[in-house]
Order: sequence, then structure tokens, then C-alpha cells
Amino acid sequence: GDSVTQMEGPVTLSEEAFLTINCTYTATGYPSLFWYVQYPGEGLQLLLKATKADDKGSNKGFEATYRKETTSFHLEKGSVQVSDSAVYFCASRGTNAGKSTFGDGTTLTVKP
Amino acid sequence: ETGVTQTPRHLVMGMTNKKSLKCEQHLGHNAMYWYKQSAKKPLELMFVYNFKEQTENNSVPSRFSPECPNSSHLFLHLHTLQPEDSALYLCASSHSKGERGGYEQYFGPGTRLTVT
Repeated sequence: GDSVTQMEGPVTLSEEAFLTINCTYTATGYPSLFWYVQYPGEGLQLLLKATKADDKGSNKGFEATYRKETTSFHLEKGSVQVSDSAVYFCASRGTNAGKSTFGDGTTLTVKP
Repeated sequence: ETGVTQTPRHLVMGMTNKKSLKCEQHLGHNAMYWYKQSAKKPLELMFVYNFKEQTENNSVPSRFSPECPNSSHLFLHLHTLQPEDSALYLCASSHSKGERGGYEQYFGPGTRLTVT
């Protein structure tokens, strides 16, 4: 079956540091790929997505590129802020799938 | 505001109580989901509904009983729960498989359930 593996946390960074959270997937066909973010006390919300190989999703300074050759979708941000502290989930969903497959989540803490 | 609302936001219940969680979406989606999120554990998919029909039940104990009367509403009926059922219960919606549109899910804020 499909699976998503993301970098284990927790990750602690200083403000303005560079962020990378690794994500790799296994799937049949060409799934859509997503990053979701969950702030404390809230549900998950979509951060960015990419629907085909070489697409780059971006939002709020975060970016991720769909790499078919390495089956990866790593999340990056050039300069993190304290307000970016949250749990980040990588996910995939095939076009014929009735559900998404989520990674285990990576907790990011950004210190001032 | 994601277009998915959940009530109540917090619930404390005893093991012999019966209660229901409610989810409503205003996004025109035809797929709805229940997830369980426990501390230190991965997100667990419980149930999936497509066009009001249950299409997935991930071996969830029968003390959890879902109901989907229409594509906009989803309930989770709870009875004789155990303390280990305490968790955040998240509802989500999306376009159904095979439909046109993105496949991202929209989540509600969750119901924080405590079983005493």
C-alpha cells in the first residue's frame, strides 16, 4: 500500500534559521502530494500542494518540489519565525484513492 | 476558518455515557472522514464516507458508530468508551475519488474528548 515517511522530530531552530523537513513516499502511479500544518489547539490545514512531477508548491515562504526520481517532497523555508512553531504533516493521495496517506508528523519549535 | 465545523469543541464523558460528535461542511464536498489523534501517536483514519456511503472502516471498535445522513453532515456516536479513547477527534472533507478538483482535505478544529 501507499506510505509516507517524514523526518522524525522534534526539530528546534532559532528564529531566521533555514528549515528542511524531509518527506518520501511510496505509491502506485502519480499521487498528489501535500504538506499540512497543525497549530496548537487546531485542526490540520493545507500549507501547500503539488499535483505532478517537478511542480513546486509554495505558501507563506514555505516551498516543496515534487521529485519523482527520488520520490520526495521535502519542505523548506529560508527563514523561520516563532509563529511557524507547529506540527507539519506530509501526505499523498492517488487520483483513484478514497483517502490520503499521512506521515507521522514533525514538531517544529522556533525559539526567539 | 476552513469551512468545516465541529461541535462540541470539548467533551468530558464517563464510561457509561452516550454522546455524539457532529461535523458539518459547507464546501460542497462528497467525501467525509473521521480521524483520531492521540498524543505521541500518528494520525489514525477511522471512517470514510463517499456520497453518504461508508467506504472505509479501519477496524474501529463498535463503541464508535458513525452516521452520514447527507454529504454535508457527519456524526460520530459514542457509547461505553474507555479512558484510552481520550483523544482529539478530527473531521475532514474533500472531493470524492474520481471527481474533478483537488484532492486536499479540509479539517475541522476537532473535538477534544476526555473519558473519565
